[in-house]
Amino acid sequence: DQQVKQNSPSLSVQEGRISILNCDYTNSMFDYFLWYKKYPAEGPTFLISISSIKDKNEDGRFTVFLNKSAKHLSLHIVPSQPGDSAVYFCAASFTGANSKLTFGKGITLSVRP
Amino acid sequence: DTAVSQTPKYLVTQMGNDKSIKCEQNLGHDTMYWYKQDSKKFLKIMFSYNNKELIINETVPNRFSPKSPDKAHLNLHINSLELGDSAVYFCASSQGFFLEDTQYFGPGTRLTVL
Repeated sequence: DQQVKQNSPSLSVQEGRISILNCDYTNSMFDYFLWYKKYPAEGPTFLISISSIKDKNEDGRFTVFLNKSAKHLSLHIVPSQPGDSAVYFCAASFTGANSKLTFGKGITLSVRP
Repeated sequence: DTAVSQTPKYLVTQMGNDKSIKCEQNLGHDTMYWYKQDSKKFLKIMFSYNNKELIINETVPNRFSPKSPDKAHLNLHINSLELGDSAVYFCASSQGFFLEDTQYFGPGTRLTVL
């Protein structure tokens, strides 16, 4: 029962171009969404988040878009850099969940120099 | 200075054994978590403690027992290990247990049960 789905296991982009990582969710109770980045042999690190009262949140090169009606969010990285090569996890939660996060299985992003 | 540390990093053991994984955070956070990343790569929460009190207890076999001796430590003890327990276990911490409290993860412990 995957409530958070990252259907593309991997993505490869050229340095300097845009990376778009997609995430879909099924639980309509989710109202808070996060992206985490993970390098090999390290734990996930928080990247950016968005509340359901917004449809866009931007932090430097990273922008997250939320489409509530489609139960879809995406992470845009512009411009992509080789150091962005990592696994990106989408996660979701809802008010009252006591910070319980539900994660997707991750997308491996490779940025080619 | 590692914010969230776990020991050991790797653990290889036989079925039926009992083992512990230790976690420590030096961030002064009140809330700590254990997650399991299985072979399908999903990160799933197992437990969460706030100020040494259990606040999240997912459907986890009772062979898994977390122990929080103080706010900075959350250890995971596993009895009678089974093949299916093989996974990477991540510890995490956050200031509080609200949605906006960023969770900081440790590097993970890769457990292999033979």
